[in-house]
Amino acid sequence: TQLLEQSPQFLSIQEGENLTVYCNSSSVFSSLQWYRQEPGEGPVLLVTVVTGGEVKKLKRLTFQFGDARKDSSLHITAAQPGDTGLYLCAGELNYGQNFVFGPGTRLSVLP
Amino acid sequence: EPEVTQTPSHQVTQMGQEVILRCVPISNHLYFYWYRQILGQKVEFLVSFYNNEISEKSEIFDDQFSVERPDGSNFTLKIRSTKLEDSAMYFCASRSSPSGLSYEQYFGPGTRLTVT
Repeated sequence: TQLLEQSPQFLSIQEGENLTVYCNSSSVFSSLQWYRQEPGEGPVLLVTVVTGGEVKKLKRLTFQFGDARKDSSLHITAAQPGDTGLYLCAGELNYGQNFVFGPGTRLSVLP
Repeated sequence: EPEVTQTPSHQVTQMGQEVILRCVPISNHLYFYWYRQILGQKVEFLVSFYNNEISEKSEIFDDQFSVERPDGSNFTLKIRSTKLEDSAMYFCASRSSPSGLSYEQYFGPGTRLTVT
């Protein structure tokens, strides 16, 4: 069983559409990070959420940490082809420990 | 902007050979990590390093693996006798400066290890 589940696994949408991807767990995390990864490259940090219920915005991306700090969502408004990539969430159970990664959501935005 | 760097970008080696993967973490960061990602699979934690010693390691990080910070800037991962299943992208990451605890973890671009 995976500590972190992500859904959907794949998502293909048209440019201009909105979308939400989810990251879920039964464990409580001290922090959770979202990354975007391109093929053959390292994950690039998008955001870190720490406080339950926290909402962070990064241009057209909105990240929310669940009140119980067990889950998170990423909402993209008016998706663009440049948003295409693998979106990974990673949770840290206790500060200073390693991050556990989810399997990712592969997003494809078609022009 | 400071970044984590890794060398080489691609390493091809024969089964049974030793490899050393190198990383230069962000200057003045305190925590260092190695992760790996087998093609098409998720990112997996290998080991974390803090205060010049291993702080945590996964089941993957067996006796064939070792880490070192030989000179205060480089952070290396050594695989003593490579196996075919060690073929993967290996990522180094670092976080947190002495000025205050930081949650952000920054990854390097990775080394693609191919064992033949």
